[in-house]
Amino acid sequence: AQSVTQPDIHITVSEGASLELRCNYSYGATPYLFWYVQSPGQGLQLLLKYFSGDTLVQGIKGFEAEFKRSQSSFNLRKPSVHWSDAAEYFCAVGPILTGGGNKLTFGTGTQLKVEL
Amino acid sequence: DGGITQSPKYLFRKEGQNVTLSCEQNLNHDAMYWYRQDPGQGLRLIYYSQIVNDFQKGDIAEGYSVSREKKESFPLTVTSAQKNPTAFYLCASSPRGGDEQFFGPGTRLTVL
Repeated sequence: AQSVTQPDIHITVSEGASLELRCNYSYGATPYLFWYVQSPGQGLQLLLKYFSGDTLVQGIKGFEAEFKRSQSSFNLRKPSVHWSDAAEYFCAVGPILTGGGNKLTFGTGTQLKVEL
Repeated sequence: DGGITQSPKYLFRKEGQNVTLSCEQNLNHDAMYWYRQDPGQGLRLIYYSQIVNDFQKGDIAEGYSVSREKKESFPLTVTSAQKNPTAFYLCASSPRGGDEQFFGPGTRLTVL
């Protein structure tokens, strides 16, 4: 069965500092990996995704993530955090389904707080 | 503008009542999903539908029902059999052959 672990429930960083959010996954085949962001009381927005190819993927809002198969990890990074990045971040894994769509398993999320 | 609409934003019901949450999309997506979100538990899949008139149970389908009579619509009914229905419910959709799921703004259901 597929699963995702986000070991950090809360992270606080100063504005301008670098950020790394951890994600470890368990999946039987080549994983399809995603990072989503959620502002309070809102839906989720896709930051980036990985299926194959270059293991360092670039996303929106200056985020990037690196896929490391040997460590079963897909950590999210940003070189310099802005106050507007404060939100909850979710890592997800899941296959593309025969017939269309995909079935994602989400981690429990990491709440990011940015200190000014 | 294309997108996913969930209404209402906030919903209150008395215990023992069934309630239906609306989800509409005008993105021409084939697949649609319902998730439940509780604090500290992430998102859990309730039901998904890959095509009209077909849907599959997710990980926590007990106490819920869905229908998919139109491509644009995927309503979720929270029945009285759902033991703890108070939660934030998110609807999503994805295109056929696509990978990204697009999310609606969510409905917060409170059962009193």
